[in-house]
Amino acid sequence: QSVLTQPPSVSAAPGQKVTISCSGISSNIGNNYVSWYQQLPGTAPKLLIYDNNKRPSGIPDRFSGSKSGTSATLGITGLQTGDEADYYCGTWDSSLSAHAVFGGGTQLTVL
Amino acid sequence: EVQLVESGGGLVQPGGSLRLSCAASGFTFSSYWMHWVRQAPGKGLVWVSRINSDGSSTSYADSVKGRFTISRDNAKNTLYLQMNSLRAEDTAVYYCARGDGADDAFDIWGQGTMVTVSS
Repeated sequence: QSVLTQPPSVSAAPGQKVTISCSGISSNIGNNYVSWYQQLPGTAPKLLIYDNNKRPSGIPDRFSGSKSGTSATLGITGLQTGDEADYYCGTWDSSLSAHAVFGGGTQLTVL
Repeated sequence: EVQLVESGGGLVQPGGSLRLSCAASGFTFSSYWMHWVRQAPGKGLVWVSRINSDGSSTSYADSVKGRFTISRDNAKNTLYLQMNSLRAEDTAVYYCARGDGADDAFDIWGQGTMVTVSS
C-alpha cells in the first residue's frame, strides 16, 4: 500500500480535461513540495511537474499542478491519445527520516 | 545529452548478491544527489535509497536497510547499488534518478535494469 493515495484510473475523451488527485498527510504533502511523473507504457518515468506547480523545459502547458494542504492535483487539458500513461505523484516524508514517497499511480485512458 | 544508463541486472537466487551500476553523462555528476527507485512488475514506484553529491550521506528505505548499500564514484561518473541477501520481493526494475537537491524531484531517470530473484 502506497503512502500517497491516488485513484487507480481516470478516463476522458480526446480534447477534454482530466484531473488526478493525490492525497497525503502533514508530514509528507503538507510540508513538502509535490512532483508528478508520467510513465508511458514500457518506458521509464518522466518528470512532469516539480515544486507543486512548475514545469520542466519541454513540458507543454497542457500539464499543470497545484497543492492545497495535504492534497495535490495534476491537471491535463486538451487530452491526446499520446497522454495515455500511468501518472505518479511523489514527495518527501519528514516522519520517515526524509524518505521519498510515491502514490500508487493512476492509469489515464483517453477514450 | 543528459543521460543515465543502468546495468548489472539479472537473475539471482534468493540470498544472493548483485551490484547495479548507473553511468551518468552530459552533466556534472558530482554536483547532484542521486537515487535508486524500483518498480515491481505491474506495480508502482518505490524509492529505495539516496546519496548526496560527495557520497558522505546516504539513506535507505526500511525494506532494504542493512541489505543494500548505495555508493558513487565521482571520478567515474557512476552510481552503484550493492544488493545483498536478496529476496523474492526485491524483484523489480531498478531505476537510477537524479535529484537537484536533497529533497527535490527526480528530474532525470535511467531506462532501468531488471532484477529477478528466483530459484
